[in-house]
Amino acid sequence: QKEVEQDPGPLSVPEGAIVSLNCTYSNSAFQYFMWYRQYSRKGPELLMYTYSSGNKEDGRFTAQVDKSSKYISLFIRDSQPSDSATYLCAMSINTGNQFYFGTGTSLTVIP
Amino acid sequence: KAGVTQTPRYLIKTRGQQVTLSCSPISGHRSVSWYQQTPGQGLQFLFEYFSETQRNKGNFPGRFSGRQFSNSRSEMNVSTLELGDSALYLCASSLGTSGGQQYFGPGTRLTVT
Repeated sequence: QKEVEQDPGPLSVPEGAIVSLNCTYSNSAFQYFMWYRQYSRKGPELLMYTYSSGNKEDGRFTAQVDKSSKYISLFIRDSQPSDSATYLCAMSINTGNQFYFGTGTSLTVIP
Repeated sequence: KAGVTQTPRYLIKTRGQQVTLSCSPISGHRSVSWYQQTPGQGLQFLFEYFSETQRNKGNFPGRFSGRQFSNSRSEMNVSTLELGDSALYLCASSLGTSGGQQYFGPGTRLTVT
């Protein structure tokens, strides 16, 4: 079983829709949770960073962490064609600096 | 503040050759991690260097090696290239403290023929 599981999609939504992206994990030691956005042929770009459980909002993006269920989510409101990219979840434990990534979900927002 | 830079951006090599990739982290960052990204496997962790020492290592063969210099710049070397080594190689820098945010460079796309 992989440490981090992520549905690869692809996911296709109309412009303006609310998008929900999810990851599950198996290691209860994970304390730091991140979402990255990766455009084609580019490096991943850090979108959201959360410590422990709870919600964090930044503009149209909301990250949720439910440690009891070992489940994290990224919500994108009012999705735009420019949001079309691959979204990667990542997490790390509370000591050391090793990060564990999901395989990414490909999102297309149709104008 | 300048971001993470990687050179070269594209590289074509033949089987059996070796290759060296370079990464310059964000100023002040002391940790550099290397990842291999392929369509089938996603992002796979190669190794992490912190203050010139390898601190973490993934499950890659010994053909993959790295080093870090005193200015935190890092190099990754792959010897005896195989076709399966074709991938996007990404480096990421961070402060190196627990839970520190990691920032990626644009990657080096390596094609092995």
